[in-house]
Amino acid sequence: GQNIDQPTEMTATEGAIVQINCTYQTSGFNGLFWYQQHAGEAPTFLSYNVLDGLEEKGRFSSFLSRSKGYSYLLLKELQMKDSASYLCALRQAGTALIFGKGTTLSVSS
Amino acid sequence: KAGVTQTPRYLIKTRGQQVTLSCSPISGHRSVSWYQQTPGQGLQFLFEYFSETQRNKGNFPGRFSGRQFSNSRSEMNVSTLELGDSALYLCATAGQAETGELFFGEGSRLTVL
Repeated sequence: GQNIDQPTEMTATEGAIVQINCTYQTSGFNGLFWYQQHAGEAPTFLSYNVLDGLEEKGRFSSFLSRSKGYSYLLLKELQMKDSASYLCALRQAGTALIFGKGTTLSVSS
Repeated sequence: KAGVTQTPRYLIKTRGQQVTLSCSPISGHRSVSWYQQTPGQGLQFLFEYFSETQRNKGNFPGRFSGRQFSNSRSEMNVSTLELGDSALYLCATAGQAETGELFFGEGSRLTVL
């Protein structure tokens, strides 16, 4: 099996940088994903790591260290619209994802 | 192109009944997976279908079943409903992109009374 752990809640202010961590214990996976989910909406894809290292996409970056069982999502220049739940997920077979319980981020002005 | 379409969006059932939910994938997407989302457990994987075959299955009882048709549309069924089955059921589809990213529908909100 696998455990995927994320902080339940985080708060930050507009313009700041926030790092959301994700740790996992699993025997193997072929990709680590981050999704964003606004309240009442469907999750949307943010980023994907298959190899160790940093992937950057605009204001969002994601990092993976397989040896440490650790990933993080970095959000820069925070905006109010970034208030959402952020979901870390592992892909082990096919396209099926195993999700963590998510981190609710609140951005205030 | 049109996104993932799920029907019905909302439904209310009573314990012991059964329910069927439908998912129409993005055109060209052949992989369809289903997830249950609850406040306590988050998003939990139910099953995945590809080319009408169940490819992966999560840890749910046999009351939860699904199928996929030749046009890639998928249905999931929950029999003998329990109060704990109240949840948002999300369908997600994937195309051929290297990342295999999932595109989610808006979900079907099931309430069991």
